[in-house]
Amino acid sequence: SQTIHQWPATLVQPVGSPLSLECTVEGTSNPNLYWYRQAAGRGLQLLFYSVGIGQISSEVPQNLSASRPQDRQFILSSKKLLLSDSGFYLCAWSVLGWNTNSPLHFGNGTRLTVT
Amino acid sequence: KQEVTQIPAALSVPEGENLVLNCSFTDSAIYNLQWFRQDPGKGLTSLLLIQSSQREQTSGRLNASLDKSSGRSTLYIAASQPGDSATYLCAVRPNEKLTFGTGTRLTIIP
Repeated sequence: SQTIHQWPATLVQPVGSPLSLECTVEGTSNPNLYWYRQAAGRGLQLLFYSVGIGQISSEVPQNLSASRPQDRQFILSSKKLLLSDSGFYLCAWSVLGWNTNSPLHFGNGTRLTVT
Repeated sequence: KQEVTQIPAALSVPEGENLVLNCSFTDSAIYNLQWFRQDPGKGLTSLLLIQSSQREQTSGRLNASLDKSSGRSTLYIAASQPGDSATYLCAVRPNEKLTFGTGTRLTIIP
């Protein structure tokens, strides 16, 4: 069966510090991978998605970036965190392509607090 | 631009009651609609996925319907239990990406 791992679960970082959140998927190949952010009292905002190694699409211009160095690894990074980067970050995967039977599966999330 | 709305934002019902959660979307050009559950501080758990060609899907006490032409979906929960308390989100998929509603926070009162 497929599983998705996200770490760390919680993170407190000062303003201006770098960020690296990692997500890995097991039990499947060539998945679509996603990074979402959920701010307090707001809906899920798609940040990045990837349909293959090295292929990253950015949805929101900001100081965050994403990389996919391996097929089942997705990394969210920042060189300098802002207070507004605080939130709940969720990684997700689905079967590659437009398969209408493929649901989106989420990790357990990372709670990031920028102080 | 696709917009997804869930009303009400919060709902409290006594245990044992049947209830309906609503989801509406502005663009009917979707491949599927998915319902999720989110417990506080946790990730999202997929509940049901309805393909655009389907009218409904059932899983246990949950039944989701889809009326693509009117841009509406409902999630019916039968015989509610305290463990059903959570935030329920719907999301529509027009392509590789999903657009989420802001969710309905459901509280089941024992």
